[in-house]
Amino acid sequence: DVVVTQSPLALPVTLGQPASISCRSSQSLVSSDGNTYLNWFHQRPGQSPRRLIYQVSNRDSGVPDRFSGSGSDTDFTLRISRVEAEDVGVYHCMQGSHWPWTFGQGTKVEIK
Amino acid sequence: EVQLVESGGGLVQPGGSLRLSCAASGFTFSGYWMSWVRQAPGKGLEWVANTKFDGSEKYYVDSVKGRFTISRDNAKNSLYLQMNSLRGEDTAVYYCATRRGDFWGQGTMVTVSS
Repeated sequence: DVVVTQSPLALPVTLGQPASISCRSSQSLVSSDGNTYLNWFHQRPGQSPRRLIYQVSNRDSGVPDRFSGSGSDTDFTLRISRVEAEDVGVYHCMQGSHWPWTFGQGTKVEIK
Repeated sequence: EVQLVESGGGLVQPGGSLRLSCAASGFTFSGYWMSWVRQAPGKGLEWVANTKFDGSEKYYVDSVKGRFTISRDNAKNSLYLQMNSLRGEDTAVYYCATRRGDFWGQGTMVTVSS
């Protein structure tokens, strides 16, 4: 199975400051169809995950443009340009290129 | 508005069975691969199973293979997860989702305990 490793696991942030989360995979996430299925999700306590970014860098509808995704092959990053209070929660990266699909451990973002 | 509403969770003894349902609305259900994803209390997410548009292909994570069965009824816009031989480690919130994760339900809790 593809192992997905996120870092850091906890990220204290200051409102208005940037933040970034790293996601690394144990093998290339380029799928057999040529696409790279690396997604980012945000989950608030007691809520379902919400997809923010799909295929590395595409923002979902309604996702603020302060969120951006980048990377390729085995190394990916989620960036928040200016953290807002509503951004707290757990961020999960997930690979959907190789079955079984696998998630990182999650990164808990909290305000300092 | 897209809605996925899970039901069927509850408390079950080890070795028992449970059937989860997911009612879909607001999108063309038959045009989507569908999935079940679970999250143990205080833990990360685990993708459990996928099924193709017409149910002709199904994929399972190794930890549930041979015990869980994913199925769908496109006429009823519904997804199911039959869970047999349940174990304590199956205790989790079970989410119904589209295969690419764009839509999720609110989840249903399954607790396996004596």
